[in-house]
Amino acid sequence: AQKITQTQPGMFVQEKEAVTLDCTYDTSDPSYGLFWYKQPSSGEMIFLIYQGSYDQQNATEGRYSLNFQKARKSANLVISASQLGDSAMYFCAMREGPGGTSYGKLTFGQGTILTVHP
Amino acid sequence: SQTIHQWPATLVQPVGSPLSLECTVEGTSNPNLYWYRQAAGRGLQLLFYSVGIGQISSEVPQNLSASRPQDRQFILSSKKLLLSDSGFYLCAWSVPRGGADTQYFGPGTRLTVL
Repeated sequence: AQKITQTQPGMFVQEKEAVTLDCTYDTSDPSYGLFWYKQPSSGEMIFLIYQGSYDQQNATEGRYSLNFQKARKSANLVISASQLGDSAMYFCAMREGPGGTSYGKLTFGQGTILTVHP
Repeated sequence: SQTIHQWPATLVQPVGSPLSLECTVEGTSNPNLYWYRQAAGRGLQLLFYSVGIGQISSEVPQNLSASRPQDRQFILSSKKLLLSDSGFYLCAWSVPRGGADTQYFGPGTRLTVL
């Protein structure tokens, strides 16, 4: 079974509007971390935002917020006020187990291509 | 601040030739280091990780190997490349302090095997 599922191969949004990118995950570990990365056409993976499984509040980083619904095992990324530069591939990833251990393997979803229209 | 370098940026190699990709990290000590491969239009697959000098763990059996000769240097190698080795190779680092242990990625190497 897929551990990270991103069901939207592609999404379109108008500039200045908000967009939600979906991510669901599957784990039996009570301690885990969820990450979102952005990959523009240049290829570099850029870290956007992190949510820990025990965090009480949804993570926010500037225009990025993470809609964390633990019971539903979803961790959707919300981008507010979209900009043309937000056009890229977006990946959701999960680390199973607590942070601070000697190894933190990430499992990635298949990604969602976001296109922002002017 | 920390930076991560990878070279070369692009590489075209014939089948059966050797491979050496290098990754170096600056501005941190004792990082965990990772090699990922990304096939076209796909997610990332973890190939190797290292928690210290000379300590390498492999995630998938393959035609590749990794080495960590220095604390902040990670090398991906192959003795004989296959067509299926083509892809985008990304190196990443993290410092296991607890909490997020976020992985930060390098610019990547695009490898084409012909």
